[in-house]
Amino acid sequence: QQQVKQSPQSLIVQKGGISIINCAYENTAFDYFPWYQQFPGKGPALLIAIRPDVSEKKEGRFTISFNKSAKQFSLHIMDSQPGDSATYFCAASSRSGGSNYKLTFGKGTLLTVNP
Amino acid sequence: GAGVSQSPSNKVTEKGKDVELRCDPISGHTALYWYRQRLGQGLEFLIYFQGNSAPDKSGLPSDRFSAERTGESVSTLTIQRTQQEDSAVYLCASSRKGGTNEKLFFGSGTQLSVL
Repeated sequence: QQQVKQSPQSLIVQKGGISIINCAYENTAFDYFPWYQQFPGKGPALLIAIRPDVSEKKEGRFTISFNKSAKQFSLHIMDSQPGDSATYFCAASSRSGGSNYKLTFGKGTLLTVNP
Repeated sequence: GAGVSQSPSNKVTEKGKDVELRCDPISGHTALYWYRQRLGQGLEFLIYFQGNSAPDKSGLPSDRFSAERTGESVSTLTIQRTQQEDSAVYLCASSRKGGTNEKLFFGSGTQLSVL
């Protein structure tokens, strides 16, 4: 059972455009939602994260929007740059149940930003 | 060290052979994680260490997989009698204490190819 569904699988955006990646989750106990960025040959690195007590979090050009009732969250990259080309993973975890360390990842989105 | 270090970066082995993958976490990080990344898939949780203990081994795919951690530092993931389906990138991560809002620091991974 895939608990975090991510879309699209791949995305091509022109420089300066907005990149939008969506994730949906099933487990209502999830209460921490990070996004990780992975460049080829490197491990994932934390980009930005949100908790369900807020509907939006912005850090520079990166914004997470969160919709608790729909059990969805998304990453928006404003003014996309070629250097943003990477694979993006959404993830989720829960503080309850004794496994608050375990992240459940989506399958990833390969973002290509054309110059 | 400055980051999480994994070795080897690439490993090619023959089906049926045993392999050992090494992880050096960030100094002082008590929590250590192993994840597996198959081609086109998200990261799959394998095992979690808190100190030298592994309270959660639930993600290990079979009894051919084992892991240990010594000195609250280095960890080794061992795969016995490798199979072709074991081919994947094995990622190690560490965090300061281990918890839902902790930032995970990933290594660059070991690309394992089983022929």
